[in-house]
Amino acid sequence: KQEVTQIPAALSVPEGENLVLNCSFTDSAIYNLQWFRQDPGKGLTSLLLIQSSQREQTSGRLNASLDKSSGRSTLYIAASQPGDSATYLCASNTGNQFYFGTGTSLTVIP
Amino acid sequence: EPEVTQTPSHQVTQMGQEVILRCVPISNHLYFYWYRQILGQKVEFLVSFYNNEISEKSEIFDDQFSVERPDGSNFTLKIRSTKLEDSAMYFCASLSRAVFAEAFFGQGTRLTVV
Repeated sequence: KQEVTQIPAALSVPEGENLVLNCSFTDSAIYNLQWFRQDPGKGLTSLLLIQSSQREQTSGRLNASLDKSSGRSTLYIAASQPGDSATYLCASNTGNQFYFGTGTSLTVIP
Repeated sequence: EPEVTQTPSHQVTQMGQEVILRCVPISNHLYFYWYRQILGQKVEFLVSFYNNEISEKSEIFDDQFSVERPDGSNFTLKIRSTKLEDSAMYFCASLSRAVFAEAFFGQGTRLTVV
C-alpha cells in the first residue's frame, strides 16, 4: 500500500522567505502527483499537477518537482506571503485512488 | 473555472440516523470519488465510482455506506446508521479520466454525529 509522508509537519517563516516542502512516497508506480492547499476547516484547492513523465511544474510563485524513481516531490514557494499560510498536502495517484500525505502546516509571519 | 459543489456544508445528526451527502461533479467528468478527513488526520479514500458502479472501495466503506448517481448529475454518499466515529469532513472529487488528469475536490461537508 502506498504510504505518503510530508516533512516538515509544521513550518513557520518570515514573510519574503523562499521555502521548500517535501513529500515522499513508497511506491514509485504513480501516474501523477498533485499538490493541494487546505485552509482551516475548508476544502482542497489544487495547486499543481505533475505527471509521472514530468520533472517539474510551475505556477506563479510555486514550483513543484518530481523524482519518481526516488519517490520524492518538493513544492517550492518563492517570496512567501502571509496569505500563503495554510496546510499543504501532496497526493499520489496510483490509478485507483489518491494517497494523501499528512500535510505541512505553513505559517508566514508578517 | 469549473468546480465541484457539495451540500450541505455542515450537517449535525444524531447517532443511528441516516445521512445523505450530496455532490455535483464537473459536468463532463466521468470518475467520481468520496474521501473523508477526520479532524487532525489524513485525507482517506472511501470509494471510487465510474460508469454507474463502484470501481474500488476501502475498508472504511462497509455495508453502512452506499453511493449513487441518481440523475446523471448528482453523486451521493449515504450513511445508513451513523456512528460517532463517522464525524469527519467528507470530500467529493471528480476527474475527467482516472489517470493523468487533475482531481477537483469540493469544499466538503462537515458531518458531526452527536
